Amino acid sequence: GAVVSQHPSRVICKSGTSVKIECRSLDFQATTMFWYRQFPKKSLMLMATSNEGSKATYEQGVEKDKFLINHASLTLSTLTVTSAHPEDSSFYICSARLKTSSYEQYFGPGTRLTVT
Amino acid sequence: AQRVTQPEKLLSVFKGAPVELKCNYSYSGSPELFWYVQYSRQRLQLLLRHISRESIKGFTADLNKGETSFHLKKPFAQEEDSAMYYCALSLSGGYNKLIFGAGTRLAVHP
Repeated sequence: GAVVSQHPSRVICKSGTSVKIECRSLDFQATTMFWYRQFPKKSLMLMATSNEGSKATYEQGVEKDKFLINHASLTLSTLTVTSAHPEDSSFYICSARLKTSSYEQYFGPGTRLTVT
Repeated sequence: AQRVTQPEKLLSVFKGAPVELKCNYSYSGSPELFWYVQYSRQRLQLLLRHISRESIKGFTADLNKGETSFHLKKPFAQEEDSAMYYCALSLSGGYNKLIFGAGTRLAVHP
């Protein structure tokens, strides 16, 4: 089946530093990847839609300069949290959509970010 | 505005009891609805999609456009059904992004 990986699974960083999270589709090509944020006991909130070779589309209220997204290839998208603050601590989840499919998204296992 | 509502945070039932997880949506376009499931310590995965009208693991869901609902049902719950269930709405056009409900935790007790 279609597998999506995320790296790292957990990261702790100091306030003011930047951290990069990778999302990879391991056995398929994904023209579109999505980045979500999940707060404790809350639903997934879509942050941005990442398309290979073009700029990401951000949801309303999500700061583009704070959450940098790069989709350099059909199998890799990265989310960089810049100048992290404790309120950025959260669970970040990516998903990837099969190139040939119009609907199904395959989800990564998530990355737990803690900013101290 | 597009919205997915799952009114119950927790649904607790005994094994063998019927289950209905509620989902209502608000969307002016043509809705495409999904149920995703997240078992303990596992990633989110697709359970079923309204267009396919199939039964997965005994679960079914019917889209009711009049009531703008897409409730998930199973006649006899099993302990292994215990998980977090999310209803999601796919917005037509563009990249078919998903809008998720808040989720309902289903706990099936022996």
